[in-house]
Amino acid sequence: KNQVEQSPQSLIILEGKNCTLQCNYTVSPFSNLRWYKQDTGRGPVSLTIMTFSENTKSNGRYTATLDADTKQSSLHITASQLSDSASYICVVSAGNAGNMLTFGGGTRLMVKP
Amino acid sequence: DTGVSQNPRHKITKRGQNVTFRCDPISEHNRLYWYRQTLGQGPEFLTYFQNEAQLEKSRLLSDRFSAERPKGSFSTLEIQRTEQGDSAMYLCASSLPAAGETQYFGPGTRLLVL
Repeated sequence: KNQVEQSPQSLIILEGKNCTLQCNYTVSPFSNLRWYKQDTGRGPVSLTIMTFSENTKSNGRYTATLDADTKQSSLHITASQLSDSASYICVVSAGNAGNMLTFGGGTRLMVKP
Repeated sequence: DTGVSQNPRHKITKRGQNVTFRCDPISEHNRLYWYRQTLGQGPEFLTYFQNEAQLEKSRLLSDRFSAERPKGSFSTLEIQRTEQGDSAMYLCASSLPAAGETQYFGPGTRLLVL
């Protein structure tokens, strides 16, 4: 069964600090991995996408890494801002049906002033 | 706004009533997806369409749920005889078939069944 596990479930940090969110997956065959940001009451918005051959991808203050051997990914947020408060969802796409996504449960991040 | 739109944004209904939600995808996107998301969880796949054809349905989609996309543009999701367990956020997403295609999500419809 395809699964995506995220940790921690929730995280509180102070504004300006860095943080790293983790994602482990068992999805086969692997196609790509995305990190989405979901603000409360809104739909998810794609932050990064990585394929098998990519091991890092940046989008502003967000940097995602991928280790396809260990099936792990991380999302690092640098110099956090209050607007970073949201849920961050790791999503893995299976290669044989690349549009079929398996979602993690998300990490709820709260940035405090 | 040319993104995915969903209506209504919120719906409160009594158990046993029927509800219908609408999703308008990004105009050139021919793939449309429905997901359900409960509090603190990631979205769960319900069904998807390519144009007007419903190509896959999750086992989560019980007989009380039906989705349509009659002209390959907007889609509706109907829940009949609602139950309290149906309370959730219902998300719609659309995409274009492509390598590494990105699904663009709407704001969701939050359903509360009393």
